[in-house]
This record gives sequence, C-alpha cells and structure tokens, in this order.
Amino acid sequence: DAGVIQSPRHEVTEMGQEVTLRCKPISGHNSLFWYRQTMMRGLELLIYFNNNVPIDDSGMPEDRFSAKMPNASFSTLKIQPSEPRDSAVYFCASSTRPGQPPDTIYFGEGSWLTVV
Amino acid sequence: DAKTTQPTSMDCAEGRAANLPCNHSTISGNEYVYWYRQIHSQGPQYIIHGLKNNETNEMASLIITEDRKSSTLILPHATLRDTAVYYCIAPGSSNTGKLIFGQGTTLQVKP
Repeated sequence: DAGVIQSPRHEVTEMGQEVTLRCKPISGHNSLFWYRQTMMRGLELLIYFNNNVPIDDSGMPEDRFSAKMPNASFSTLKIQPSEPRDSAVYFCASSTRPGQPPDTIYFGEGSWLTVV
Repeated sequence: DAKTTQPTSMDCAEGRAANLPCNHSTISGNEYVYWYRQIHSQGPQYIIHGLKNNETNEMASLIITEDRKSSTLILPHATLRDTAVYYCIAPGSSNTGKLIFGQGTTLQVKP
C-alpha cells in the first residue's frame, strides 16, 4: 500500500523565492497534518485538516506560510517569500479516524528544505 | 494534553531489552498514551498505544502503571535498527486527533 507521499523530497531555493510543498495522504484518510522539524525546535505541528477543512492553524509561524487542501487526496504548504530560517524538514501525515482516539498517524518521508 | 516527561537519552546493548520510561502524571482517565519513534532522516513511525491495560504488538510492549501516571515502552530484543528517538505522547481527550511531540528519548543500541 502506498503511504503518505510528499514532494519534493529535497529543495534548495534562494531567499525570497516561493516554495510549494505537496502531499498526497493515504487514500481514505480524513485528517491531514503538516509538521516542521528543526534541531532547535524539534517536531512542531503547523496545521491540520479534517475532511479537507483547516481545523487548527495556530502552529503556522506567520503570514508567509499558507496551507490548502482542495480535495481529499492533495494538500499544499506554501512559503512566500521564503527565508533562511524556514530551512527545515517538513512532514505531512494523515490519519484515518479524525477526532476519535485512538488515532494512528502515518507520516511521509518529509521534504527537506534549504533556503540560502 | 497531558505533559509527558522522558529521559533525554538512553543506551542499550544489542539483543537486550530496552525499557523506555515516560511520566504523564497529569493524564486524565480517558486519555490514551501513544508511542512513536523516529529513525534518523525518516518520518515518525507509530509503535503502540494504550489506555489502561498493558499492550503488546509485533514491535513492542507497553506497560502502564495502575494509577496511569507513568508507562514503559519495552523493546524485548533491541537491534541496531532500533536506534531512534522515541516519543511518548498523551494527546488529551479533546478528540482533536492531533499529536504534539516533545523532545523524546534518544535510544542508542550498541553492539
């Protein structure tokens, strides 16, 4: 079975450029999560969706970050303009039973972003 | 969400049992405890979860104290591939479905 699929796996971009990260959740999963991981801050939840609707975006660092989920099989996380401090690994994850414990969340392999 | 406390790091000899403790003294009666791990350069991976009873699956065992204030994840025969950061999470009873990761325990399995 295909897991959570993220693209690109690696991206190097210049400061000020727009970055778009993409995620395909596991088919049939109703919840989708975007996490960011850095050495300094660890694994942080940025935003999550239930049934394509953003439920909690309190972890989004600032207005430069935006996330969309136009349908059940696709989500994007966009950074515009990008800054060096955005360099991190961005994980997408999905879950099959939103809001009902126990939830098992499945993670993708991450998108490694470097902003120079 | 209940606050969890884990040791920063632990070592374990290959082939021996690895016992990873977690304190969650503020956990409420209907909050589950979840364990995930993250092997270097990979996404976090679900291991096991429990509420009150001890649990076992193909990856590990979870022992929860009777008062539910702490738990221990047991890897019965640790291998080098079990070297990872292990996260204990008590996401709360708010039914949001989201998991908040702390710093976890870095387990180093040594030959």
